Amino acid sequence: NAGVTQTPKFRVLKTGQSMTLLCAQDMNHEYMYWYRQDPGMGLRLIHYSVGEGTTAKGEVPDGYNVSRLKKQNFLLGLESAAPSQTSVYFCASTTDNQPQHFGDGTRLSIL
Amino acid sequence: GQQLNQSPQSMFIQEGEDVSMNCTSSSIFNTWLWYKQDPGEGPVLLIALYKAGELTSNGRLTAQFGITRKDSFLNISASIPSDVGIYFCAGQVLPSGNTPLVFGKGTRLSVIA
Repeated sequence: NAGVTQTPKFRVLKTGQSMTLLCAQDMNHEYMYWYRQDPGMGLRLIHYSVGEGTTAKGEVPDGYNVSRLKKQNFLLGLESAAPSQTSVYFCASTTDNQPQHFGDGTRLSIL
Repeated sequence: GQQLNQSPQSMFIQEGEDVSMNCTSSSIFNTWLWYKQDPGEGPVLLIALYKAGELTSNGRLTAQFGITRKDSFLNISASIPSDVGIYFCAGQVLPSGNTPLVFGKGTRLSVIA
């Protein structure tokens, strides 16, 4: 039982490069979320999805795009990476009346 | 937007001591959650609270949902080295995935053996 799996675990990018972070869950959860975690800031919601084919903006959505083409996957894209996007990114999933389950994070550095 | 004030920001305690941390909000939440994050890992749920006034234990951990629904606290009794980590509170207006969690900024706990 893998739970929530994030790939890659680490990545270094140059400013202006693009990349996609993948989140996969095997719990048949309807809801999925992308957060970023910065020192002293806690977890801030970037985008979330309440079901396949739907997405919504969170607290800090600028510079990111997301897609939920399949129920089990939630992709986070950076079209043109900036140093301010250096962070640890966490994916989470849940179903109604259940707490969110988190992946182990993707550590992204942008030079 | 909604904010949670979590305190203290960090704590250094001796092994065996009890620990207390809390979260307060200016608005009402109907669910309070406490997570722990170990280095290099994602947050893991410790305790979930769904009713005002509820007091729930999980081993050496005890959490309470404030009667006003604007606060919650977490106590750890007889701390041990593996309690080291960052503890986050989170509030939710409704226990539905449609309603995102609001997180506190965390309490970093260090335990001195």
